[in-house]
Amino acid sequence: DTAVSQTPKYLVTQMGNDKSIKCEQNLGHDTMYWYKQDSKKFLKIMFSYNNKELIINETVPNRFSPKSPDKAHLNLHINSLELGDSAVYFCASSQGTSDTEAFFGQGTRLTVV
Amino acid sequence: GENVEQHPSTLSVQEGDSAVIKCTYSDSASNYFPWYKQELGKRPQLIIDIRSNVGEKKDQRIAVTLNKTAKHFSLHITETQPEDSAVYFCAASGTGGFKTIFGAGTRLFVKA
Repeated sequence: DTAVSQTPKYLVTQMGNDKSIKCEQNLGHDTMYWYKQDSKKFLKIMFSYNNKELIINETVPNRFSPKSPDKAHLNLHINSLELGDSAVYFCASSQGTSDTEAFFGQGTRLTVV
Repeated sequence: GENVEQHPSTLSVQEGDSAVIKCTYSDSASNYFPWYKQELGKRPQLIIDIRSNVGEKKDQRIAVTLNKTAKHFSLHITETQPEDSAVYFCAASGTGGFKTIFGAGTRLFVKA
């Protein structure tokens, strides 16, 4: 049983396209996150959601729009993809606030060409 | 703003030696300090964590120390093994918050 699962695992697309990454957790957690890991391995938070509500938006461009239909799902839609969006995107979840263990999905490697 | 600095960026040790990774944080409201291990091509996974009311915590070959006054915390791995080779991230978070700040990562190589 995968605790946090995200799809797809790999995504290769052209500049200007729109794409989505899906994330689901079966841990019953209240909080979900999106992180971006660039080529230098920096792991940076993008969004935090608690009970479907946006709590943190770390100055991410408007082209990135997260959506949480319920507290078990947090999807990420990206419009007008740019070369600089190429990275590994990790979904994660935690019980309650961020001062508890975060469980990460397996990552989605996005390559924009 | 909040910041977590991590050193060194790369660490190479001989199997059986100890490895130490150090982090400093800027936000005095931080009180939860997890360490994550990320193997090549895999997801980050928690290996140990410490809270601000504790100065040291140990789990087999891994230990963390926290100096809240100096805003320093460190990861110690003893008797390193080749399977310890990975990228290690320190992180800091505050009570009741929804944001964890990660350090830049340390790539640890354990040579057999």
